[in-house]
Amino acid sequence: EAGVAQSPRYKIIEKRQSVAFWCNPISGHATLYWYQQILGQGPKLLIQFQNNGVVDDSQLPKDRFSAERLKGVDSTLKIQPAKLEDSAVYLCASSGIRSEQYFGPGTRLTVT
Amino acid sequence: EDQVTQSPEALRLQEGESSSLNCSYTVSGLRGLFWYRQDPGKGPEFLFTLYSAGEEKEKERLKATLTKKESFLHITAPKPEDSATYLCAVRKYNTDKLIFGTGTRLQVFP
Repeated sequence: EAGVAQSPRYKIIEKRQSVAFWCNPISGHATLYWYQQILGQGPKLLIQFQNNGVVDDSQLPKDRFSAERLKGVDSTLKIQPAKLEDSAVYLCASSGIRSEQYFGPGTRLTVT
Repeated sequence: EDQVTQSPEALRLQEGESSSLNCSYTVSGLRGLFWYRQDPGKGPEFLFTLYSAGEEKEKERLKATLTKKESFLHITAPKPEDSATYLCAVRKYNTDKLIFGTGTRLQVFP
């Protein structure tokens, strides 16, 4: 069974630029999550999708972050404009009928 | 406020030296406690889910236990390949969101 795929793996941008990350969840998993992991901390949920719909985006900085999940499969997370404090690893996870969340390898973002 | 605290922050062990990692939590309505392993440059890898006090799960050299206020991850006779950061997370009723601790960074030396 293929795992959660993410791209790119690394991205370096200047502040005020925009960036987008892509995630393909495990086949058949209806729920998709985006987490932000700052160095030395545990992951923090940004947004949760159930199929096409948003379940929880309470911790998403909506003035600069946006996410979509078209057709209930792939998802993209966008930051525009980026700030220095957005430097982190962005993790995508998915879950199916069981409660366990399975994570992708992450995208390491550096904002200079 | 919901909180997950892991200790110690870092742990250095000699190969074969057993030890335990602690995860204490304050959350109303626990619906599951999760342990993950994270290697440098990789996403967290699922290890265990525990649902009720007294429950235990084992996998190779790892054993996870749960009480009403904390969970322990016991590592028996660790090997260098067990070196990683171990993350604990909790989930509350009526949500799928995981609340993570900051992790314990384990190093096992030969």
